Amino acid sequence: GESVGLHLPTLSVQEGDNSIINCAYSNSASDYFIWYKQESGKGPQFIIDIRSNMDKRQGQRVTVLLNKTVKHLSLQIAATQPGDSAVYFCAVGRGGADGLTFGKGTHLIIQP
Amino acid sequence: DSGVTQTPKHLITATGQRVTLRCSPRSGDLSVYWYQQSLDQGLQFLIQYYNGEERAKGNILERFSAQQFPDLHSELNLSSLELGDSALYFCASSVGFGNTEAFFGQGTRLTVV
Repeated sequence: GESVGLHLPTLSVQEGDNSIINCAYSNSASDYFIWYKQESGKGPQFIIDIRSNMDKRQGQRVTVLLNKTVKHLSLQIAATQPGDSAVYFCAVGRGGADGLTFGKGTHLIIQP
Repeated sequence: DSGVTQTPKHLITATGQRVTLRCSPRSGDLSVYWYQQSLDQGLQFLIQYYNGEERAKGNILERFSAQQFPDLHSELNLSSLELGDSALYFCASSVGFGNTEAFFGQGTRLTVV
């Protein structure tokens, strides 16, 4: 099976600073990794994904880093804005089957 | 708006009852996934259907069942409901059957009293 762990349930950052949210997974056979953002009362919203044949992928203000050696991935959000306030989940998948295994989520709080 | 539609948004029912949650995937998506989100367990994968066939099973209880119809909408049936079944139930859809970018609906909040 797979388990997905979280380093911090809550992360508080100043507006304009960069945010880094971390995630660890257990199954070395996992090959698909995805970050979701969930705002209060809404469903998870796709942010960015990465496959195991890559170690870095960039989107608009977001970067995902994957370290397969230590089974760790991170989400970096540049120049954090008030609208980034949400719970962020990492999710891990394998080989096209079994759905995604989600971490417990990090609540990102933006300080003005 | 993700394009995934779930109904109803809220449902309150008594223990022992049976309910049906409905999901319409995004246009063109063949895979439907069901997830349960509770405070203590987080987001848990329940079951996946691809083009009408069950594709993968997660932590789905025997009291729960699902199906995907020829028009690709899906229903999740929850029976003999218990207080602990109170949770948010999400449906997600994706184009393929592999773990690709899945889009989530807004969820159905089930409260069992």
